[in-house]
Parts: sequence; C-alpha cells; structure tokens
Amino acid sequence: EAQVTQNPRYLITVTGKKLTVTCSQNMNHEYMSWYRQDPGLGLRQIYYSMNVEVTDKGDVPEGYKVSRKEKRNFPLILESPSPNQTSLYFCASSGDSEETQYFGPGTRLLVL
Amino acid sequence: GENVEQHPSTLSVQEGDSAVIKCTYSDSASNYFPWYKQELGKRPQLIIDIRSNVGEKKDQRIAVTLNKTAKHFSLHITETQPEDSAVYFCAARGDTGNQFYFGTGTSLTVIP
Repeated sequence: EAQVTQNPRYLITVTGKKLTVTCSQNMNHEYMSWYRQDPGLGLRQIYYSMNVEVTDKGDVPEGYKVSRKEKRNFPLILESPSPNQTSLYFCASSGDSEETQYFGPGTRLLVL
Repeated sequence: GENVEQHPSTLSVQEGDSAVIKCTYSDSASNYFPWYKQELGKRPQLIIDIRSNVGEKKDQRIAVTLNKTAKHFSLHITETQPEDSAVYFCAARGDTGNQFYFGTGTSLTVIP
C-alpha cells in the first residue's frame, strides 16, 4: 500500500531535549516536505527536499533541521525544542512539485 | 515570499446548496494551486488543483477557477452533502522549487 508514515504519532517532551520525528514514504517520490499546522494559521512549510541531499528552507525553518540521506526518509530534527514548537506536524511527499502531495498521519508534539 | 489569503474562515450551507471559498495570492510567479480537504483528526487530502495556464477545472461536484490577472482562485462545491463538511485549504506553489504557501483554511459545515 502506497503511504507516508510518521513516528511517533504523539510526543510530549520538555524544553531543550533533542528529538527526531521520522518520515518515510514507499512511493519512490522525489519531493518531500515538512509542515506544521496551528489553529488559525493553516499549514506552514518548514523544510522541503527535491531529492537526496537536496533540502531547502520553507516559510518557518527556524529551530528545525532536516536531512535527506535516502530517498524514502526525511526526518525532522528539533535540537532544542521550545514551547512555541508545540504543534501538529505533517510530512508529505510527491512525485514532482505539481503532483499530488500525500500527507502522513501527523505527529502531535507538546513541548513543556 | 508568497502570501495566500483565504475567505471565509467559516461557512455554513444547507445540504444541496453551493459553497464557494475564495483565495488570493500575492506573487504573480506562482503557477500551481492545489486545494486540500481535511476532515476532523485526519490528514489533508488533495481534492482538485489547477495550473496557471488553465482558467477553470471541474471534477464532478467540485470546480476551481483561476484569475491570474486578479491573482485569485476559488473553489466551488455544488449540491453539497453532509460528508463535504471539513476544513478546506487553498495553496499556491512559489516560483522556486517545491515551496508551498497555504491559506488559513475554511471550516465548511453542511447542514442536513
């Protein structure tokens, strides 16, 4: 089954404790993105990648890191999480920039 | 960067009526405009998209129109049904890479 998976689905952590949210897709997609969703603000793109080892900043990259060492994986790293990074995070992938973006199930993060 | 505005933020219609959601964008170089539907607790899913060389696209009860001169695009849902109740997001792809900018969403309620 074609899908995008994220782990963990729910995470409670404390300020400053490094964490990684994994994202994996099995559709051989070139493009992958991370978004955060906050009430009243819609979806905002954090980082995107157009291929292995090619990543670029989205609209709200501050406080986040990504890597794309393999085509299928695109982890999101918060090296020193802060409460303002409490949000719902979605990973997405597509074959190219004008094809359907398939979203993962989301990761709900609470930073205390 | 691009700025996408979406109106209205909430919309209630009677079952069978039409619903219209409007978005404006700021960057004339944007050239791809997808619409996503997000049901409560679920991930966003693409419902229709339009490219800048097309003025209108229709898929059964859903249509999207694009006015490049005015920099606005709209989603039209006809013969609404209760299962159309969801949050709808418009988006615009920026002029570089895979950068997407989303509207803040419209919560549509279809009253049976």
